[in-house]
Amino acid sequence: EVQLVESGGGLVKPGGSLRLSCAASGFTFSSYSMNWVRQAPGKGLEWVSSISSSSSYIYYADSVKGRFTISRDNAKNSLYLQMNSLRAEDTAVYYCARDPPEVAVAGTLDYWGQGTLVTVSS
Amino acid sequence: VIWMTQSPSLLSASTGDRVTISCRMSQGISSYLAWYQQKPGKAPELLIYAASTLQSGVPSRFSGSGSGTDFTLTISCLQSEDFATYYCQQYYSFPRTFGQGTKVEIK
Repeated sequence: EVQLVESGGGLVKPGGSLRLSCAASGFTFSSYSMNWVRQAPGKGLEWVSSISSSSSYIYYADSVKGRFTISRDNAKNSLYLQMNSLRAEDTAVYYCARDPPEVAVAGTLDYWGQGTLVTVSS
Repeated sequence: VIWMTQSPSLLSASTGDRVTISCRMSQGISSYLAWYQQKPGKAPELLIYAASTLQSGVPSRFSGSGSGTDFTLTISCLQSEDFATYYCQQYYSFPRTFGQGTKVEIK
């Protein structure tokens, strides 16, 4: 069974930092691109970042570029999001999501974690 | 950046109704479009990819159509478990973008 479990969320002051983790199981993690997607309270979905299976390709939304860093450790089946210079508008539930490698579906998000809440407030 | 306009934002319907949600792109994306369903407090779930292909396990009352810039999600006979929020997402290019969402509520 595919499982994605996020952790690391919490309350942080503006300007602070936080590191999110996503533990993956039930599939060959090293074969899949992975993504972070966030959802502000009562709002829609916003794609944040993507990393390819071997970390060769990394993409960010303009809203987080230069402040957030995505990374992965295939030996540990884990995905990370280092978030620096946090702002109030970064307050959201952060989901990690799997991006399948098959050509027909690459780019979709076929499994999601349950999310971890990040609150940026003084 | 590919901008997406999803409509309507709110749809009131009854069980058994046929409902249609639209997603329009600011530029052509071929068929690189997915649809997701999200229920309150839960993560989104993939319903449809490649504009019209049902994800495994998704009921056949869901269907998708379109290519280029205009896409549609149709639920042919709304069931109680279908009351949720639906999002379209393009995966033609980065940055990935989502539509604003359509909440399907009970009339």
